[in-house]
Amino acid sequence: EVQLVQSGAEVKKPGESLKISCKGSGYSFTSYWIGWVRQMPGKGLEWMGIIYPGDSDTRYSPSFQGQVTISADKSISTAYLQWSSLKASDTAMYYCARHRLTGLIDYWGQGTLVTVSS
Amino acid sequence: DIQMTQSPSSLSASVGDRVTITCQASQDISNYLNWYQQKPGKAPKLLIYDASNLETGVPSRFSGSGSGTDFTFTISSLQPEDIATYYCQQYDNLPPAPLFTFGPGTKVDIK
Repeated sequence: EVQLVQSGAEVKKPGESLKISCKGSGYSFTSYWIGWVRQMPGKGLEWMGIIYPGDSDTRYSPSFQGQVTISADKSISTAYLQWSSLKASDTAMYYCARHRLTGLIDYWGQGTLVTVSS
Repeated sequence: DIQMTQSPSSLSASVGDRVTITCQASQDISNYLNWYQQKPGKAPKLLIYDASNLETGVPSRFSGSGSGTDFTFTISSLQPEDIATYYCQQYDNLPPAPLFTFGPGTKVDIK
């Protein structure tokens, strides 16, 4: 069974750094793209970017390029999303999801709620 | 960048009604169009892929059609458990692809 299990909720202050994780199991982690989707409170889904753990090839949405860093450690089947300096506007639910190059997103993590508040 | 629009942004219908949502791409995306259902407090779920293919395990009352720039998602007979927000999503495989984009969503309620 394919599973994506994300790290727990975080409460941070503006300016702090953060790295959240997503551990894949039940499939070959290095053979599928895995990416991140943001959902701000009461809003829609925003695609952030993806990484191919097999070779660490990474692509970002123009809206998120330079704002976050996506990485992966294939030895532990885990993908990461990180911020170097959080802003209040980063408050959102973040989902990791397995992507296929046929264009669909077939499995999703449970979401990680990030709250940034002074 | 390819932009996606959806209409309506919300709708209210009765149990048993036929519900139709449209999604339009700003340029030709062939059939690289998928539909997702998101229930409150839950992660999205894939319903339809490649514009018209039903994902395994998804009830047959859900269907999709279209190609190029105009797409339609239909619930043939709305059920109470279909209360959710529905999103279309396109896939762009031209460099610097791959890039994915979601539509703004359509919230479906029971009248």
